[in-house]
Amino acid sequence: ELKVEQNPLFLSMQEGKNYTIYCNYSTTSDRLYWYRQDPGKSLESLFVLLSNGAVKQEGRLMASLDTKARLSTLHITAAVHDLSATYFCAVNTEYGNKLVFGAGTILRVKS
Amino acid sequence: DTEVTQTPKHLVMGMTNKKSLKCEQHMGHRAMYWYKQKAKKPPELMFVYSYEKLSINESVPSRFSPECPNSSLLNLHLHALQPEDSALYLCASSQDPRGRRNIQYFGAGTRLSVL
Repeated sequence: ELKVEQNPLFLSMQEGKNYTIYCNYSTTSDRLYWYRQDPGKSLESLFVLLSNGAVKQEGRLMASLDTKARLSTLHITAAVHDLSATYFCAVNTEYGNKLVFGAGTILRVKS
Repeated sequence: DTEVTQTPKHLVMGMTNKKSLKCEQHMGHRAMYWYKQKAKKPPELMFVYSYEKLSINESVPSRFSPECPNSSLLNLHLHALQPEDSALYLCASSQDPRGRRNIQYFGAGTRLSVL
């Protein structure tokens, strides 16, 4: 059974600082996604990572994938308040279209 | 346009009521999904429709009944729900069930309260 673990679960950051969220998964998968969710809102797709060594960047967020280690990271550079949200990684099972989500990381950026 | 529209936004129902949630997308996507999300938890998959056929049912109780009338619409019929079914119900769609990139786009959700 595919398990997805994120850490940390809660992250309080100062503006302007850098930090990394980690996502580990337990079985082989060829697709990993990062989503953002604001309180009471839906999920917004941030990145899809398809291959070993894939790196995607958008603004202050950069995601990478190491399929051998079964690890993805979401790096936040020079955090700003607008980045406060919950971030989920999600991994496809090998069959079908089932996404298994990590528990989520609640990110709070303090001014 | 990556819009998935869900109605209603909020729903309050008693345990003996019958209600339906509706989801619509006009992106030509051929896979549609229902998720349940409890507060401070990740979404949990309930059902997947692929080319208008039910392809995954995650052992969801029969009081939840999905329906896919056509490739743009997805319904979730609710009957005799329990208070623990109160949650945010999210609909999602993706372009091609067999495609590798297959990003799921989520609707805003229906917040359901069962009294």
